[in-house]
Amino acid sequence: GNSVTQMEGPVTLSEEAFLTINCTYTATGYPSLFWYVQYPGEGLQLLLKATKADDKGSNKGFEATYRKETTSFHLEKGSVQVSDSAVYFCALPPRAWEGSNYKLTFGKGTLLTVNP
Amino acid sequence: EAQVTQNPRYLITVTGKKLTVTCSQNMNHEYMSWYRQDPGLGLRQIYYSMNVEVTDKGDVPEGYKVSRKEKRNFPLILESPSPNQTSLYFCASSSRDRDGGANVLTFGAGSRLTVL
Repeated sequence: GNSVTQMEGPVTLSEEAFLTINCTYTATGYPSLFWYVQYPGEGLQLLLKATKADDKGSNKGFEATYRKETTSFHLEKGSVQVSDSAVYFCALPPRAWEGSNYKLTFGKGTLLTVNP
Repeated sequence: EAQVTQNPRYLITVTGKKLTVTCSQNMNHEYMSWYRQDPGLGLRQIYYSMNVEVTDKGDVPEGYKVSRKEKRNFPLILESPSPNQTSLYFCASSSRDRDGGANVLTFGAGSRLTVL
């Protein structure tokens, strides 16, 4: 079945540092890939997505490139801010609706803390 | 504003006392789902529903019930809560459109449940 392996945290950085959170996946075919973010006290919200190989998703200064050769979707940001402190989840949707279910497979999450 | 609303956000209860966590979405989504989030285990799907009166088990349904009498509501019922159901719960919804496997789940803000 599908699986997602995500770099475990916590990750602590100073403001303006470079961020990488690694994510690799196992799946049949070439599914879409997501990064979700969970800010303190809030639910998960989509940060960015890529729907096919070599696509680059980007949002709020974050980027991730879908690399099918390495089955990876690493999240990067060139200069983090204190407001980026959150938990980040890599997620793998099903390739299509599996019957009537649409179950995301999540990584275990990476807690990022950015200090001023 | 398009959103998924969960209540209560925080609840402390005792073993065996029935409780219901409500979930409501205002986006006319057909699909709704419940997840629980636990440290070291990530997010796991409890139940899902493709439409009114159509529900099915996810990966960890034991000890939970759901109902879908109206399209907008999908309550999670714990008939006899136990301490191992202490967790952070998220409701999510999505439309089933032509986006295939790239549909985005919209999550509620979460309900933190403690069972003593």
